[in-house]
Amino acid sequence: DAGVTQSPTHLIKTRGQQVTLRCSPKSGHDTVSWYQQALGQGPQFIFQYYEEEERQRGNFPDRFSGHQFPNYSSELNVNALLLGDSALYLCASSLMGANTGELFFGEGSRLTVL
Amino acid sequence: GQQVMQIPQYQHVQEGEDFTTYCNSSTTLSNIQWYKQRPGGHPVFLIQLVKSGEVKKQKRLTFQFGEAKKNSSLHITATQTTDVGTYFCAGRNNDMRFGAGTRLTVKP
Repeated sequence: DAGVTQSPTHLIKTRGQQVTLRCSPKSGHDTVSWYQQALGQGPQFIFQYYEEEERQRGNFPDRFSGHQFPNYSSELNVNALLLGDSALYLCASSLMGANTGELFFGEGSRLTVL
Repeated sequence: GQQVMQIPQYQHVQEGEDFTTYCNSSTTLSNIQWYKQRPGGHPVFLIQLVKSGEVKKQKRLTFQFGEAKKNSSLHITATQTTDVGTYFCAGRNNDMRFGAGTRLTVKP
């Protein structure tokens, strides 16, 4: 039973570029949430996707966008990268309506913006 | 908007000592979850508390949810070196918001 998988694991971009990060949720899960974790900080909620729609959004600018596909996998896109976008981007999957509401995290994609 | 505050930011203990981290939300929560993140790893779910005043135990770990469902605590009895990591609370209102975490280091 595969857990949450994310790609790429590491990447380096320069300011102004665009990046796409990918996530495959845990088998049986239908909801994907994206978090940004700066060094030494807690995960900050970016948005959540369910049934291919953005359901909730945190305090992130429109440069951050996403998508969910029919197979429940998801992408996070960031345009016009800034130095401050350097962080670990975590994907978390869950099952909508489940009692526990437990989030299963992937290993993350570490983005460095130069 | 919803904010989740966590203290202390760091805690260094001698092996065998107890450890407690506290979490406070600016809004009433529907539930609260606790996660542990080892250095270089990703957050791993520990437990969820739902009911007002709920107390749950997992071996040496005790989790409490406040009566007003706005605060929570995690207490570790007799810490071990394997307890090293950052402990996050995450409060759910509409979405799941994480605290900044308490980083625990344990000296053998």
